[in-house]
Amino acid sequence: EAGVAQSPRYKIIEKRQSVAFWCNPISGHATLYWYQQILGQGPKLLIQFQNNGVVDDSQLPKDRFSAERLKGVDSTLKIQPAKLEDSAVYLCASSLGGWNTEAFFGQGTRLTVV
Amino acid sequence: GESVGLHLPTLSVQEGDNSIINCAYSNSASDYFIWYKQESGKGPQFIIDIRSNMDKRQGQRVTVLLNKTVKHLSLQIAATQPGDSAVYFCAENIGGSNYKLTFGKGTLLTVNP
Repeated sequence: EAGVAQSPRYKIIEKRQSVAFWCNPISGHATLYWYQQILGQGPKLLIQFQNNGVVDDSQLPKDRFSAERLKGVDSTLKIQPAKLEDSAVYLCASSLGGWNTEAFFGQGTRLTVV
Repeated sequence: GESVGLHLPTLSVQEGDNSIINCAYSNSASDYFIWYKQESGKGPQFIIDIRSNMDKRQGQRVTVLLNKTVKHLSLQIAATQPGDSAVYFCAENIGGSNYKLTFGKGTLLTVNP
């Protein structure tokens, strides 16, 4: 079974530029998550989708971050404009959905803002 | 702030020894807990989970213990191997059916040959 695919693996941008990350979840997984992991910390949930609807985006900095999941499959996360403190690994995860089902993580995109 | 934390940021053990990684949580409404392993450059990998109606669950070489009285979770790894070296996170589900995971900061486990 193919895992969660993310691209790019690495990205370096200057502050105030924009960047987008892409995620392809495991086939058939209804729930998709985007997490932000700052170096030395645990992942922090940014947004959670159930199919193509947003379930939770309470920790998403909506003034600069946006995410969409068109057709309930692939998802993109965008930052515009980026700040230095956005430097982190952005992890995508997916699960079948429903009560307490395991989430599978991709390898993440490491973003460096300079 | 985060409600899940870890007692020890680093743990160093000898190959073959048993490892115990501890985790404290503060949200009494949490009903599901998961241990993840994260190797350098990779995403977190599921190890074992436990629901709040259980005290103990065993997997292959791993055991998770849940003490709801003191809001404490532990991961025991038997016969630790060099391949077990990684950062271990405990995570709690505070979102009910929405499966909203809150992660702790992690414990770095180093296994010495």
